[in-house]
This record gives sequence, C-alpha cells and structure tokens, in this order.
Amino acid sequence: QVQLVQSGAEVKKAGASVKISCEAVGYPFTSHHVHWVRQAPGQGLEWVGAISPRNNSTTYARRFQGRVEMTSDPSTSTVFLEVIYLISADTAVYYCARGETGMDVWGQGTTVSVSS
Amino acid sequence: DVVMTQSPLSLSVSLGQSASISCNSSDSLVYPDGNTFLNWFHQRPGHAPRRLIYLSSTRDPGVPDRVSGSGSGSEFTLQIGRVGPEDVGSYFCMQATFWPPTFGQGTIVEIK
Repeated sequence: QVQLVQSGAEVKKAGASVKISCEAVGYPFTSHHVHWVRQAPGQGLEWVGAISPRNNSTTYARRFQGRVEMTSDPSTSTVFLEVIYLISADTAVYYCARGETGMDVWGQGTTVSVSS
Repeated sequence: DVVMTQSPLSLSVSLGQSASISCNSSDSLVYPDGNTFLNWFHQRPGHAPRRLIYLSSTRDPGVPDRVSGSGSGSEFTLQIGRVGPEDVGSYFCMQATFWPPTFGQGTIVEIK
C-alpha cells in the first residue's frame, strides 16, 4: 500500500530550527516528486516547496527561500524538511505529498508548535 | 503566481441535496500539451487532505460517481450530489499547470 509516513509532533522555541521527515512506502522512491504543504491553525493550504528524490533538485516558495531546506535519503526512502529561525507564524501542520501534476498521496501531517 | 479563487467560502447543505463549489484561476490552466492540471481535495477536520479529482474532471480511485468535476480554461466547478455526513469538511482546488502549485482558499461544507 502506497503511504507517506511522517515523523511525530515537535515543540520548539522561536529562533530554533526543526527537521521533520516523511518516509515513502510502497512505491519506487525516486519515481515521484515530494511536496511539503503547511496549514496554520484554522487556515488554508500553503505550498512550501518540493524535492525530486531522483536528483535532489529542490524548489522553494519565494517566501521560504533561505529559511527552509529539503533533502532526501534514498537508503531509507525518506525526505526531510528543515525550517530554521522559527517564528510563531510557523506554527502549523506540515504535510508531505507525492506527485508532479497533482498530489495524490499525503502523509498524516506533523504538527510543529513554536512558542515565543 | 496563479491566484485561485473559490466561492462560496462556506456552504450549508441539507442531507441528500447537492452542493456546488466554484474555482476560478487568474490564468488559463491549459498546459501546452493540452492537459488542464486542476485538482480538487477534500479535508475532514483533523485529517490530511484527500484528492478527489485531477485533470479537472477525472475521479481518483474510490471516489463515488456522485462527486464530479467540470470546467476548462480558468473556470471550474466541483459538484457533490446526495450530500451525506461523510462530505462535511473543507474543499480545496489546486492548480499544477504553473509552478509553484497554488491552492484556493477553501470552502467549508456543513450539514444544515
């Protein structure tokens, strides 16, 4: 069964960094891009960026450039999202999702809470 | 970035009735190869989004045929027939024709 399995909730102080993971299960790891999408409490969906596990190429939303980094580890079929210099507005559920022209499989979400 | 605008932002529907959600894009979503990369998602409270529709009108596996997507160019519609309790939640459109992918604001559907 195709799944994306995400790491557990994180609680961080403002100014710290966080690194969360997303393991691809049940399909060839390098066959699809993986996106990160976040959702602040009570808000809509916001695209953060994407990585191609085939060649590690990344694209980030303009507002996150310089503050996020996406990486992948083919040995564990896992992609990672690191966010640095956390602020309270980064408090959100972060989802990974598979796909190029549509996100057909989503992880269960990772809650990141940032306190000042 | 392409702006996706949904309406209405909230919808109250009686059980068994139909619901219709509109999504307009600031640019035509027709890709040079002729495909239209418009997706619809449903998100139940406390859950991850689930894709319902891709390529504007193709249902994902397991999506009932009372759910349908239509439209072309920059105007799209999601219709849900015979609304039941399982249909409550938020619905989002998303375009993937242009980079970066962008989402509509979401439409909250509740049972009247």
